[in-house]
Amino acid sequence: QQQVKQSPQSLIVQKGGIPIINCAYENTAFDYFPWYQQFPGKGPALLIAIRPDVSEKKEGRFTISFNKSAKQFSLHIMDSQPGDSATYFCAARVTSGSRLTFGEGTQLTVNP
Amino acid sequence: SAVISQKPSRDICQRGTSLTIQCQVDSQVTMMFWYRQQPGQSLTLIATANQGSEATYESGFVIDKFPISRPNLTFSTLTVSNLSPEDSSIYLCSVDNSFGQGYTFGSGTRLTVV
Repeated sequence: QQQVKQSPQSLIVQKGGIPIINCAYENTAFDYFPWYQQFPGKGPALLIAIRPDVSEKKEGRFTISFNKSAKQFSLHIMDSQPGDSATYFCAARVTSGSRLTFGEGTQLTVNP
Repeated sequence: SAVISQKPSRDICQRGTSLTIQCQVDSQVTMMFWYRQQPGQSLTLIATANQGSEATYESGFVIDKFPISRPNLTFSTLTVSNLSPEDSSIYLCSVDNSFGQGYTFGSGTRLTVV
């Protein structure tokens, strides 16, 4: 019930490509869905987040698509750059102030 | 959003000893979270620390192994006790920012047990 399943485990794209990372959840009580970006040796940094009353959110080159009926959400990175090479984690939370449940992570490589 | 200073950034410890990790936040926060991230893996919650009360531990984590202090609203420590090589991991603290700003993470402590 508390799990968030993330795919793919790894992803390689060319510069300018649009990598898509998918997450699925079971717990309908989740009310907040963030994506984190983590570089080696650093803590995760919040990239973008969405709430279930919105189907899409865009911030710069990053877009979250949210499908409430399918209990799925995805991250799209437009015009990807080598500097986007990192590990991406989706997460979900039940209520404000409570713990985050993380997906397994996706290691993204953007080749020049 | 909150800024977290986590120390130490890395340490190499002898088997059987303990390591205490500190997290200092630049603003008052109610909840602080401690995570473990094993190499190449996702983040696993160890415990939630609320100021003025005992920490709440997740399944598989116990207070004797991972004692936590939360003396005020800006500071917490996690101790990893009786170290074994299996404790080699990255440990991270996190806080929930106010006003929907999301969760901020410290930069992590990379622990190697030899």
